[in-house]
Formats: sequence, structure tokens, C-alpha cells
Amino acid sequence: DADVTQTPRNRITKTGKRIMLECSQTKGHDRMYWYRQDPGLGLRLIYYSFDVKDINKGEISDGYSVSRQAQAKFSLSLESAIPNQTALYFCATSEGYGTDTQYFGPGTRLTVL
Amino acid sequence: GESVGLHLPTLSVQEGDNSIINCAYSNSASDYFIWYKQESGKGPQFIIDIRSNMDKRQGQRVTVLLNKTVKHLSLQIAATQPGDSAVYFCAEKGGSYIPTFGRGTSLIVHP
Repeated sequence: DADVTQTPRNRITKTGKRIMLECSQTKGHDRMYWYRQDPGLGLRLIYYSFDVKDINKGEISDGYSVSRQAQAKFSLSLESAIPNQTALYFCATSEGYGTDTQYFGPGTRLTVL
Repeated sequence: GESVGLHLPTLSVQEGDNSIINCAYSNSASDYFIWYKQESGKGPQFIIDIRSNMDKRQGQRVTVLLNKTVKHLSLQIAATQPGDSAVYFCAEKGGSYIPTFGRGTSLIVHP
């Protein structure tokens, strides 16, 4: 969905490096999420934010941190990347009312060597 | 070390056939269910949803069926086309604001 963008789309880095993945949205949604996808394992929630002042850990937050710089921006950081953080990372947004359907970005493929 | 991914359940169908993708959910308190489609190299896209007070909901070429008794959800795709080839995820929401996603099923459509 072009309304949710992620940068970079692909990144190769080395063990121990600090990495930041960025997500921007033009949907005007208050809620934003970061997910990790590994082959055959579906989507696992890392962190989520229901508004600019709200940050919550998901099921696999260890080794990650986030920053909600504005309603439209939510970044994910790996302070010291390790190989088992190699995965596909998705940002999502939702409107926060009604069915609260999530809309996903195109993903960032991260490889940690 | 290198992680080894699990193999996704796979459904292979011929173009023009109907496809049925199944999903079992675990939380009896879940009251809202969603199906997503993920094409290669893209993020998941919303297809159709259903609330727990319904048994069936139809969209364009897709139907979702919900059986709360056995906690089972299915997605039916009519007249499957090559463009339907993708991984399909079901997701459930209960008391939490956050959906829980299944592992996904890979649909392969043969021309």
C-alpha cells in the first residue's frame, strides 16, 4: 500500500552494527506497528504505538527499540544487530476505531552477516 | 546461526477451480477475524473480514465462513486465477487490540 512506506527496502549489515528502519504513513492513522516475518512463521509483533506518546512492547521486543517521532513516523532500531535478526520487517498502521483494520507497508528485508 | 524456516502448508489448484483455505484459531474469546493476502515481495493486504456474530460474509469472488463451535475459519476463492497465487493469512482479534496472525497458507495456481 503506497500510503505506508518503508526505508530502506533492503539492507545488508554486519553483526554489532546499529540499524534503523523507518516507516512513514500518509493515512492519518494514530496507530502504528512493527512486525517481523520469518519463513513459515507468520507475523510476530515487535512494538506498537497507539499515539505519539504511547509505546508498547510486543511479543518479541528484546534486541529492538522504537521511536514515534510524529503521528506519521515510526522507526525501529536494532542497537547491535545479530544474525538471528535476519528477517523481513513490516510496518503497519490502523485507524484505531471500528474494525481497526491494519494496512501494511512493502517491507524491509534485513540481512545480518 | 542460520535459522531454518518451517514449510508453509501449500494448496495447489488449477486455474478456474475454486480454492478453499482453512484456518483454525485458538482463542474462543476472539470476536473479529481477518484474511490477508501477501504476494511475493509485498506486504500483507486486507481481503475480507468477519465478526463473530456472522457465519458467512461474501466479497468479490471471495467468501469467508466462520464456525465458532469448532473455532474454524475458511476463505473460499471462486474461479481461482493466476493472480491469486500468494500466501494467505488469517488473523483473529479478541479482547486485545492487536490481531494474532496464523502461519499462512501458500496458494499456487497452475494455468
